[in-house]
Amino acid sequence: DSGVTQTPKHLITATGQRVTLRCSPRSGDLSVYWYQQSLDQGLQFLIQYYNGEERAKGNILERFSAQQFPDLHSELNLSSLELGDSALYFCASSATGEDTEAFFGQGTRLTVV
Amino acid sequence: GENVEQHPSTLSVQEGDSAVIKCTYSDSASNYFPWYKQELGKRPQLIIDIRSNVGEKKDQRIAVTLNKTAKHFSLHITETQPEDSAVYFCAASRVKIIFGKGTRLHILP
Repeated sequence: DSGVTQTPKHLITATGQRVTLRCSPRSGDLSVYWYQQSLDQGLQFLIQYYNGEERAKGNILERFSAQQFPDLHSELNLSSLELGDSALYFCASSATGEDTEAFFGQGTRLTVV
Repeated sequence: GENVEQHPSTLSVQEGDSAVIKCTYSDSASNYFPWYKQELGKRPQLIIDIRSNVGEKKDQRIAVTLNKTAKHFSLHITETQPEDSAVYFCAASRVKIIFGKGTRLHILP
């Protein structure tokens, strides 16, 4: 157990819908990262937060948004879902958001039908 | 933008032989280089990392080397075992962590 908790584990929804993925970082970690992993694909960096503020942005679609709350948990919002958004979404956390190990949650498997 | 290239995408080695995975990165400001192992259906887990002020690091059967001038780094696994079968990801980081596309390692009996 990495100490990073993601909910839900599985999510099935229809095209055009909106979903929210939740991540609780390890105790004491200030930084949260979001990644998308499609079938047989690598880990695509979406966005990073540090202590409530956006720190770095990757190839995140405009239909996607995220935030980190004062209690340091984070949410990734995916809207106007398309079939191609089906993927495994990972959250990771690290202590400082720089030069330190990132610990991954178990992921949320999103299936868009 | 930042990019990490990883090769090969698939690697099959006989049990007991060595495996080498190579990566290059584009952002010369990257200063932290972790390697993750992802078993089927599981989360990626760190197996070893190296920082830019170090050229080589070893942990039992695993070693990493870093050439900052060439922007290359490599993972070496010696005396491979069946449990080494997995997907391995290299990454380069300054703030964000950018991953390579992964290498699927098969250990053949």
